Amino acid sequence: GQNIDQPTEMTATEGAIVQINCTYQTSGFNGLFWYQQHAGEAPTFLSYNVLDGLEEKGRFSSFLSRSKGYSYLLLKELQMKDSASYLCAAMDSNYQLIWGAGTKLIIKP
Amino acid sequence: IAGITQAPTSQILAAGRRMTLRCTQDMRHNAMYWYRQDLGLGLRLIHYSNTAGTTGKGEVPDGYSVSRANTDDFPLTLASAVPSQTSVYFCASSDSRGGTDTQYFGPGTRLTVL
Repeated sequence: GQNIDQPTEMTATEGAIVQINCTYQTSGFNGLFWYQQHAGEAPTFLSYNVLDGLEEKGRFSSFLSRSKGYSYLLLKELQMKDSASYLCAAMDSNYQLIWGAGTKLIIKP
Repeated sequence: IAGITQAPTSQILAAGRRMTLRCTQDMRHNAMYWYRQDLGLGLRLIHYSNTAGTTGKGEVPDGYSVSRANTDDFPLTLASAVPSQTSVYFCASSDSRGGTDTQYFGPGTRLTVL
């Protein structure tokens, strides 16, 4: 079956760096997405990886290893506003997104 | 303002009643989607539409129906609501249903079925 695994919750300190891991198993693969979702709000797009390697966008970076079925989202210089859930989603061969349950990131001062 | 709107924002509904959740986008996106989000679970696709006039079933379509009469609107109907349909419903759209096309989400409808 198709499956996405990511940690349920993580805690980090303001100004620090945190890495949120995601492993996936899908029927075919057309890319890996990361979304941010603040409590009570809609998910918003952060990144998309389809080739192996690291994509950097300001304080956020996303990494993909297709051979390992593994991705991570790296957040640097954490700010209180980064407290949110981070959703990992893999696109299967039918272009359907398979979503993880999300990682709730708690930032402490 | 460009984007996706959903209505209502929230609703409490008696079991057995019919309910239509509305979704409108003004980005001229071809593809639209309906998801439900439940605590501890990932977003699950209910139905999708690749383009106006076509619809398809997602992972959890039972008890729901959709229509896509035009590009902008994609209503979701619960013919006879049951308590297990209590959830937060998100509508989304993308330029197409391809790999690189980002899905943009509406603000969601929180539905409670009693």
